[in-house]
Amino acid sequence: GQNIDQPTEMTATEGAIVQINCTYQTSGFNGLFWYQQHAGEAPTFLSYNVLDGLEEKGRFSSFLSRSKGYSYLLLKELQMKDSASYLCAARDRGSTLGRLYFGRGTQLTVWP
Amino acid sequence: EAQVTQNPRYLITVTGKKLTVTCSQNMNHEYMSWYRQDPGLGLRQIYYSMNVEVTDKGDVPEGYKVSRKEKRNFPLILESPSPNQTSLYFCASSFTSGMETQYFGPGTRLLVL
Repeated sequence: GQNIDQPTEMTATEGAIVQINCTYQTSGFNGLFWYQQHAGEAPTFLSYNVLDGLEEKGRFSSFLSRSKGYSYLLLKELQMKDSASYLCAARDRGSTLGRLYFGRGTQLTVWP
Repeated sequence: EAQVTQNPRYLITVTGKKLTVTCSQNMNHEYMSWYRQDPGLGLRQIYYSMNVEVTDKGDVPEGYKVSRKEKRNFPLILESPSPNQTSLYFCASSFTSGMETQYFGPGTRLLVL
């Protein structure tokens, strides 16, 4: 199985940069996802990393280090609407390729 | 409009009364999955399906059944619901189980008394 760890809560101010870390311990690993979930809504896809390095997508970037079992989501130029829960999820490999393991989510609050 | 639909959105039931939560997608996706979300525990995968007639257990399959008789539908069946199955349930789909975006349905909030 997989063990996914991320901080429970974070706060930041509008316009700032915040980094949400995620560590994983795996028996098999084949990619890492980040999702955003606003209260009462379904998760929405933000990014996917399978190779080491940084993937940039507008104000959001995601980084992966497979040797360290570590990923982070970087949010720049924070806006009030970025207040949400951010979910890290690792995908299994091989015969259980469809298995997806989620962390408990990091609740980000953006203050004006 | 590309979407994943779930029904019902809200359900209150009693222990032992069989129920089915439907999930349907109109994107011709091969991969579908069910999750439950509980406070402090995050999203946990119940069952997933890689294609028609291909299903497999996720993290927390006990007390649930699924079927995938056609590509677009992936119902979740609770044969004998118990109070510990009170939760928020999400269905999701993607073209394959790979890096493609996984689309989530709006969620079904279930209360078992």
